[in-house]
Amino acid sequence: DTEVTQTPKHLVMGMTNKKSLKCEQHMGHRAMYWYKQKAKKPPELMFVYSYEKLSINESVPSRFSPECPNSSLLNLHLHALQPEDSALYLCASSQDRYFHEQYFGPGTRLTVT
Amino acid sequence: SQQGEEDPQALSIQEGENATMNCSYKTSINNLQWYRQNSGRGLVHLILIRSNEREKHSGRLRVTLDTSKKSSSLLITASRAADTASYFCATDRGGGGSNYKLTFGKGTLLTVNP
Repeated sequence: DTEVTQTPKHLVMGMTNKKSLKCEQHMGHRAMYWYKQKAKKPPELMFVYSYEKLSINESVPSRFSPECPNSSLLNLHLHALQPEDSALYLCASSQDRYFHEQYFGPGTRLTVT
Repeated sequence: SQQGEEDPQALSIQEGENATMNCSYKTSINNLQWYRQNSGRGLVHLILIRSNEREKHSGRLRVTLDTSKKSSSLLITASRAADTASYFCATDRGGGGSNYKLTFGKGTLLTVNP
């Protein structure tokens, strides 16, 4: 199974809402990533988890809160977002953080109203 | 900051033609990868070339790397309508700290017309 799954596919939320994005992989990968992608732009790294520990936080605002409950799951908790946070949120995994091929999920299209 | 810069930004060709996309980068790298992204979907890894390699093939894909010019090219031969997608190069610097993270270029939008 070489699949990374993400739920939900689409999410519309108000600026006062709290929601979570979920990502799951069953490839035994020990590194997992969150990226943000705006339209017609490349993905921008947000967070990296390595062996369930936060390894990189690219100065992401605290209204985005990542969580890695176990080696297969990665969550992104959202609170008090702004309209400019509307984007495609991509999850990815790799064998470990030094193994460079990354497997991406299909993404969650987030709209903040 | 953007490490990779692809050109052209957009490329439109007829089915059966070859498509060439280029990527330039600014700092030394450990590996360079190419990914494909169909509209609004996740990225798919295509090929990885290490800094000590000059050329690599995978099916209809051919990647070259010139570290002296800090550039790479991706050639897709005998293109198909299904190749229509955005193509991104991504580099890592290797070593410790956060140098393993990928930095993506701006991408080339390839349209293959039937």
